[in-house]
Amino acid sequence: GAGVSQSPSNKVTEKGKDVELRCDPISGHTALYWYRQSLGQGLEFLIYFQGNSAPDKSGLPSDRFSAERTGGSVSTLTIQRTQQEDSAVYLCASSFDRLRTDTQYFGPGTRLTVL
Amino acid sequence: QQQVKQSPQSLIVQKGGISIINCAYENTAFDYFPWYQQFPGKGPALLIAIRPDVSEKKEGRFTISFNKSAKQFSLHIMDSQPGDSATYFCAATYNTDKLIFGTGTRLQVFP
Repeated sequence: GAGVSQSPSNKVTEKGKDVELRCDPISGHTALYWYRQSLGQGLEFLIYFQGNSAPDKSGLPSDRFSAERTGGSVSTLTIQRTQQEDSAVYLCASSFDRLRTDTQYFGPGTRLTVL
Repeated sequence: QQQVKQSPQSLIVQKGGISIINCAYENTAFDYFPWYQQFPGKGPALLIAIRPDVSEKKEGRFTISFNKSAKQFSLHIMDSQPGDSATYFCAATYNTDKLIFGTGTRLQVFP
C-alpha cells in the first residue's frame, strides 16, 4: 500500500556523467509522469507514460534526456552527459488513469546535484 | 499562453489569520484547477481542486474561489495554523494530461 517511491533520494554527480533516476508508481496506476522542480522555475512537466508508451514527451529539455517504462510499472529517467543546469529535484507522479481530473500522487523526488 | 502566474512568492500570516494565494491564467481551454501543498523534502500533495463551472469550492478550512471572466482563481486558508506552513502550488490543465504549475508560494504561519 506504499505510495510512489523514487530512488536514489539524492544523487551527486560530475558534469559529463550519465545518471539514472528510478520511479516505482503506486500499484495499479497506469499513468506515470515525470516533473522537474528547480529554484526559480517551479515544477516543469517532462514526460508522461500511459502504460509503457509515452504519448507526450514535449517537456524533455534536450535529447540528453530520455525515459522508459517497463511492464507498465517502473520507470527510469536517464540524463546523459549531465550539465550543471540539470541540477534540480526530479519528481515522479502516478495516477490511476490518464483522465486529467485523476489525482496525481507524487513521490518524494530525487535531488540531483551536478558538480 | 501556457503559463499560470502565481502570487505572492511568499506569505507570512499569524495563527488564526486568513492566507490568500492568487493565480491567473491566459489559456481559456484550461478546465481543471488543482492546488498542491508541498512540505520540505516531500513531493506535492493534492489539496483541493475546482472546475470552471463553479465559482467556489470549500473543503474544511480550504476554499478555492474561481473567477472565469477574469481568468483568476485563489486559495483561501481560513484560521491558518503553523502546520499549514508549506509551499503551495496552483496548477491548471485541459485536454492533456500534464499539469501546468504556478511558481509556488511559501507560506509561513507564526503562532
